[in-house]
Amino acid sequence: DAGVTQSPTHLIKTRGQQVTLRCSPISGHKSVSWYQQVLGQGPQFIFQYYEKEERGRGNFPDRFSARQFPNYSSELNVNALLLGDSALYLCASSFFPSRQGFTDTQYFGPGTRLTVL
Amino acid sequence: AQSVTQPDIHITVSEGASLELRCNYSYGATPYLFWYVQSPGQGLQLLLKYFSGDTLVQGIKGFEAEFKRSQSSFNLRKPSVHWSDAAEYFCAVGAWGNQFYFGTGTSLTVIP
Repeated sequence: DAGVTQSPTHLIKTRGQQVTLRCSPISGHKSVSWYQQVLGQGPQFIFQYYEKEERGRGNFPDRFSARQFPNYSSELNVNALLLGDSALYLCASSFFPSRQGFTDTQYFGPGTRLTVL
Repeated sequence: AQSVTQPDIHITVSEGASLELRCNYSYGATPYLFWYVQSPGQGLQLLLKYFSGDTLVQGIKGFEAEFKRSQSSFNLRKPSVHWSDAAEYFCAVGAWGNQFYFGTGTSLTVIP
């Protein structure tokens, strides 16, 4: 079975530009989460979407936004890029059925490496 | 507030030696705990997880972890390390709303 896929693999942008990152979850998974991993740090939670609705948001500015589509794929958008946005952006998917509680195992994609110059 | 602490930034072990990576968490409710491994430039691979039940959990690649509620710990162990185990290891707690909190990671170097 295919795992979580992300595109593009690498991306180079300049300050002030906008970027869109894409994620396709594991087949059957309805929840997608986005994480930012700065070099040398652990992943930091940005967003969680379930059934196309935002279910959680981390401590990130409004320049960060996301959405989930009817096929459960997702996009992460970052506007007005800053040098500090340079990071590995990870997408994770989980089944997250509500009857099983509020936490489910998350499976991560390979990430998109964003470099802001 | 939820948090995860991995006290060891970097650990070096000889191939064939045993390994223990430490993880301490802070979470108000019953924790859902995970260990992930990350090779350079790659995403995170799930090693094992603890949701409830037996406090000693087995994972892939010969890893195991023990949940100790009294110590708020979830340490990862492997009896005999292989050179291919060299990577970055992350402990995480799954909180309400499926939001994961990660530690800062432990980098493992394996000496032949």
